[in-house]
Amino acid sequence: DGGITQSPKYLFRKEGQNVTLSCEQNLNHDAMYWYRQDPGQGLRLIYYSQIVNDFQKGDIAEGYSVSREKKESFPLTVTSAQKNPTAFYLCASSIEGGYSNQPQHFGDGTRLSIL
Amino acid sequence: ILNVEQSPQSLHVQEGDSTNFTCSFPSSNFYALHWYRWETAKSPEALFVMTLNGDEKKKGQISATLNTKEGYSYLYIKGSQPEDSATYLCAFLGSNFGNEKLTFGTGTRLTIIP
Repeated sequence: DGGITQSPKYLFRKEGQNVTLSCEQNLNHDAMYWYRQDPGQGLRLIYYSQIVNDFQKGDIAEGYSVSREKKESFPLTVTSAQKNPTAFYLCASSIEGGYSNQPQHFGDGTRLSIL
Repeated sequence: ILNVEQSPQSLHVQEGDSTNFTCSFPSSNFYALHWYRWETAKSPEALFVMTLNGDEKKKGQISATLNTKEGYSYLYIKGSQPEDSATYLCAFLGSNFGNEKLTFGTGTRLTIIP
């Protein structure tokens, strides 16, 4: 089945540690996204990539980094500079980015907590 | 920062009843309005992408309308079933350059009471 796979489902981070969240898609989509969800807030965009080897900052990029070396993969690193990383992280993809009428497809999410 | 608001925040509806809720968004620089359904322990699932003022879309017992001039969209569920229990998210895509990304509302959490 085609879809988006996020791993791990749960992740714990120690103080001062960088952690990487995996997102893989086999939908052959060009665009991929990372969102963060906090209680009482809408999904907020961290980073997005409209094509391989290119990505842009979203609304809350500070303390995060990404790479897009392969079309199917868009890993998110939560660095030690992110002071409040505890949240639910969702990865999504779409056929194309930018001004598009295409919906986004989402993974199941990763819940990150601080030890 | 764009303002996308959904109301009510939560809703309890008796099985078999119909219901509706609202998404408000900026009435200028409109490109598209997305609706997603997010069931507990699952991933969000796209319902509709709406682009034209006056547009109406339907999927089973769920339908949506769009008014871009006044900046709102309604989602209707006719004859609610327990499987309709979910959080319904709307997301606005503006047409102004450099802002080609979705802005999500906080969602309406719908609970169907058997």
